[in-house]
Amino acid sequence: GENVGLHLPTLSVQEGDNSIINCAYSNSASDYFIWYKQESGKGPQFIIDIRSNMDKRQGQRVTVLLNKTVKHLSLQIAATQPGDSAVYFCAETMDSSYKLIFGSGTRLLVRP
Amino acid sequence: GAGVSQSPSNKVTEKGKDVELRCDPISGHTALYWYRQSLGQGLEFLIYFQGNSAPDKSGLPSDRFSAERTGGSVSTLTIQRTQQEDSAVYLCASSAGTSGGATGELFFGEGSRLTVL
Repeated sequence: GENVGLHLPTLSVQEGDNSIINCAYSNSASDYFIWYKQESGKGPQFIIDIRSNMDKRQGQRVTVLLNKTVKHLSLQIAATQPGDSAVYFCAETMDSSYKLIFGSGTRLLVRP
Repeated sequence: GAGVSQSPSNKVTEKGKDVELRCDPISGHTALYWYRQSLGQGLEFLIYFQGNSAPDKSGLPSDRFSAERTGGSVSTLTIQRTQQEDSAVYLCASSAGTSGGATGELFFGEGSRLTVL
């Protein structure tokens, strides 16, 4: 699952700082959203999800915010750690569907 | 196995040759997906299998691509007459549910990297 990409938007943060990764989704009918993390050479890994009847959901060190008005999704990572360095993808689907549609990804680099 | 297993992990082939990529999903997962990831890109949906239902092949980019799932478990993605633009990482995922949602998140394998020379 390596996805070295010269054209991926990159967010560089200092270790310990909070990170915010943004995503604009495409389908106003989508009602279920997921954030995935992909480390180099691996497949994507589920981080957190949110349904359209919510605007915020918190996990361990991560928070997902959903703004349906502008079709915007964000992932907040608190106290970013070196192990958080990866490419992050948002994905959308309709709950009645099985197709997850993935965004193009954002690379997060954590500076020690 | 404990996770989704894919083979080969790397495949280099010559243009025009056929290739087969294999996916062994998590035991008991009824849903199986194939995605393609080109360099620096997101994941492109290819095909979806759910139980004994007819697969959704709507994401297959051309008729050179096909996939089978035997016995509701192992799946094989076949690419005939490979072209250079087929070079990508092919990711397989499985899920316990009928959607990628709360009924079962997708668990991905590590992918098969295909390079067509």
